[in-house]
Amino acid sequence: DIQMTQSPSSLSASVGDTITISCRASQTINIFLNWYQQTPGRAPKLLIFGASSLQSGVPTRFSGSGSGTDFTLTISSLQPEDSATYYCQQSYSAFFTFGPGTKVDIK
Amino acid sequence: EVQLVESGGSLVSPGGSLRISCAASGFTFSDYNMIWVRQAPGKGLEWVSSIIKSGSSTYYTDSVKDRFTVSRDNAKNSLYLQMNRLSVEDTAVYYCARLGRAGGGYFDYWGQGALVTVSS
Repeated sequence: DIQMTQSPSSLSASVGDTITISCRASQTINIFLNWYQQTPGRAPKLLIFGASSLQSGVPTRFSGSGSGTDFTLTISSLQPEDSATYYCQQSYSAFFTFGPGTKVDIK
Repeated sequence: EVQLVESGGSLVSPGGSLRISCAASGFTFSDYNMIWVRQAPGKGLEWVSSIIKSGSSTYYTDSVKDRFTVSRDNAKNSLYLQMNRLSVEDTAVYYCARLGRAGGGYFDYWGQGALVTVSS
């Protein structure tokens, strides 16, 4: 199975800040990397697919980059509603795997 | 509007069985591969199973293989997960989700989840 890691596991930032979350795959996955946002008690929401394509309706302050094994989710001009846990997910293999998540708190 | 609504979650004794369902609407169900993802209390997301459009191919994570069976009824726009020999480690919220049509393996719509609790 392809293992996914994320860093940091949590972070705290202020409204208006720019933050980055890293995701690493245990083997190359080309650009088959997706990002989700989950708030407590809610289902995950797709943000980014194919490493850098923004899902329809997602604010443009969210962006993704990377290929191969290393990927980044960037949130520019952080907003209060961005307080959530963010997960990466590989889709290179049909046996999908998620990263452990990064919890983002707003100061 | 795309909607996925899970049902059937409940409290089950260890070793027991349960079937949960996912009712789809707002899209042509038979055109999409579907998946189940679970989330144990306070934990992260875990892919459980996938089924292709026709239902002829299925995939499972190792921990549920030979215990869980995914199926679908395209005439009823419904997805199912039959869970047998349940253990406390299977306690989780189970989400059904749709695989995006572009083939990128991303999950573009999710249900609200069904809570399965395995406890004596």
